[in-house]
Amino acid sequence: SAVISQKPSRDICQRGTSLTIQCQVDSQVTMMFWYRQQPGQSLTLIATANQGSEATYESGFVIDKFPISRPNLTFSTLTVSNMSPEDSSIYLCSVEFGLAGGNYEQYFGPGTRLTVT
Amino acid sequence: AQSVTQLDSQVPVFEEAPVELRCNYSSSVSVYLFWYVQYPNQGLQLLLKYLSGSTLVKGINGFEAEFNKSQTSFHLRKPSVHISDTAEYFCAVSPSNDYKLSFGAGTTVTVRA
Repeated sequence: SAVISQKPSRDICQRGTSLTIQCQVDSQVTMMFWYRQQPGQSLTLIATANQGSEATYESGFVIDKFPISRPNLTFSTLTVSNMSPEDSSIYLCSVEFGLAGGNYEQYFGPGTRLTVT
Repeated sequence: AQSVTQLDSQVPVFEEAPVELRCNYSSSVSVYLFWYVQYPNQGLQLLLKYLSGSTLVKGINGFEAEFNKSQTSFHLRKPSVHISDTAEYFCAVSPSNDYKLSFGAGTTVTVRA
């Protein structure tokens, strides 16, 4: 399994500012993912971040708004830029971890609860 | 593309009673199926998964789920719940040849004494 930590755990930010969320994994993983969970809703994949390549964004998410870094196999950051109240959400990172037999599991971090005022 | 429908948004249940959370999916390709649990103010934890083989899958904390291909369902069950099972439960699906998870809207389970 993988142990994932995120910083900060929560933050309250003013509109127009930016926040960078860090995700640290205790083992090397190829694929990391960033999800958004808006209040009372399910998780939506923002982007996939592989080390050494540009992040791949899902429909409705763009790099200018959610720039992602993936400098090594254990770390990634997601920046929420030029924030508005609509960006108030829980942001979660996850990793795909290889298991015996060629199977994979996704493990999730504890999330970063962002409130934009 | 895949989609997941969780048929119950909220399920209140008394302690030691059984619970069933319903999940249906749609997909044009073969899929893997998952149930995740999110306790208050925590991240997601994998309860169980179906990849292949036996359609009855047992997970952690006494939960089990049954994959029914003809009905495209993956319902989650527990024969006797505890107060500590109060949480949000998410059903998720991914194509068997891909890693992207699509989540259902979630079911809030509230266990009362």
